[in-house]
Amino acid sequence: GAGVSQSPSNKVTEKGKDVELRCDPISGHTALYWYRQSLGQGLEFLIYFQGNSAPDKSGLPSDRFSAERTGGSVSTLTIQRTQQEDSAVYLCASSLPPLGLNEQFFGPGTRLTVL
Amino acid sequence: AQKVTQAQTEISVVEKEDVTLDCVYETRDTTYYLFWYKQPPSGELVFLIRRNSFDEQNEISGRYSWNFQKSTSSFNFTITASQVVDSAVYFCALSGVPSGGGADGLTFGKGTHLIIQP
Repeated sequence: GAGVSQSPSNKVTEKGKDVELRCDPISGHTALYWYRQSLGQGLEFLIYFQGNSAPDKSGLPSDRFSAERTGGSVSTLTIQRTQQEDSAVYLCASSLPPLGLNEQFFGPGTRLTVL
Repeated sequence: AQKVTQAQTEISVVEKEDVTLDCVYETRDTTYYLFWYKQPPSGELVFLIRRNSFDEQNEISGRYSWNFQKSTSSFNFTITASQVVDSAVYFCALSGVPSGGGADGLTFGKGTHLIIQP
């Protein structure tokens, strides 16, 4: 069984550009989570999906961040007009239901560098 | 609001020593789950243990053991006879179940960087 996969593994972009990060969860895991890991802030929870639904988007750092999930599987995290403070490792995790109560399996992350 | 505190930023010990990583949490939820994750130099977070708030039994898995005490809101992690391969950043995390239902992502501590010297 494959684990959580994320792409790209590394992304270097220029300030002001949009980026799209992809997460492919473990098959059968209906819960999907996005986190951000940076030196200054540690590991921050961004958003979760139960199926295709994201009930609470308050963890997203700004309105430049958005996420969607289709078909209860792949999710994309989009950052518009990237800023240097967006530089971080973006981690995706998935788990079996119930949401939040089972161990989350993490992907290898996408390292985003905004120049 | 939930909070997890790992007061030890970095610990360095010599191989074969025992080492305890501290974790203190805050939550208003009556039902919650505590986790420990390991992040080796490769970067991928590896799940170690999950404990629910109703189960205060200590757990041992090989050289690893966990001490959960609700009275002090602590969930400490001990590695016995440490090995160089144990070198990693260890994160304690909390997930709550609010009385109104629903759930949220994990609230992580800042992590403890454990260095095991040969």
